[in-house]
Amino acid sequence: AQSVTQLDSQVPVFEEAPVELRCNYSSSVSVYLFWYVQYPNQGLQLLLKYLSGSTLVKGINGFEAEFNKSQTSFHLRKPSVHISDTAEYFCAVSGLYNQGGKLIFGQGTELSVKP
Amino acid sequence: DTGVSQDPRHKITKRGQNVTFRCDPISEHNRLYWYRQTLGQGPEFLTYFQNEAQLEKSRLLSDRFSAERPKGSFSTLEIQRTEQGDSAMYLCASSRGGAYNEQFFGPGTRLTVL
Repeated sequence: AQSVTQLDSQVPVFEEAPVELRCNYSSSVSVYLFWYVQYPNQGLQLLLKYLSGSTLVKGINGFEAEFNKSQTSFHLRKPSVHISDTAEYFCAVSGLYNQGGKLIFGQGTELSVKP
Repeated sequence: DTGVSQDPRHKITKRGQNVTFRCDPISEHNRLYWYRQTLGQGPEFLTYFQNEAQLEKSRLLSDRFSAERPKGSFSTLEIQRTEQGDSAMYLCASSRGGAYNEQFFGPGTRLTVL
C-alpha cells in the first residue's frame, strides 16, 4: 500500500519569490510520482510526473520537482512565482506494478501568492 | 473542447434520495476512474474501469454505490439512500492504459446532502 504526506497545508508567498511544496511518500514497492494543480472551479491538471531516469523533472508553468529515493520525497519547486500560481497542489503516487493505475493523493497544499 | 465532462456540476438532495452522476471521458481513453474529494482533503480513489469492465473497487465504495460503464464509453455513478456523509466532490478521470499515463480530470460534481 502507498501513502502520501504533504507537509504544509498552506504556503503563503510573495510574488517573484521562490517556493517549495513538500511531499513525502511511503510505499513497499516502486512508484510513479505526480504533481497535479487544481485552480478554483477547475479540474485537476498534471504539472509533471516522474517515471524513471533523471531525478529532476521539469513540468509546465516553470515548475520542477526532484525525486529523492533515499528520503522518499518528491518536492515541487519554482524559482519565481506569479499571482496566477495561486491554487491547490496535490502530490500523488501510483504503484509501479499496479496495472490499474489508481492514484493515491496527499492532502493538498494551498499556495497563496501575494503581490 | 474534447476534455472530460461531468454532469451535473452541482447536485443538492435530501437524505435518503438516490442520485446519479454522469462522466464522459476523452473518447480514445480506455480507462475511466472515479474519485471522491471532501473539503480540505485530496481525492480518494473509488473505482476504475478498463473499457466496460469494472476492475477495482475501493472499500470506500459501500453497497449503496454502484458504477457502470456500458459499451466502454460514458460512465454513471449512482448513490442510493444518500447520507450526509456522502456530501463531497465526485471526480471523474480518464486515461490511456498504463499506470504511467496521465489521468485527465473532469471538473467534478459537487454533491450536497441535506
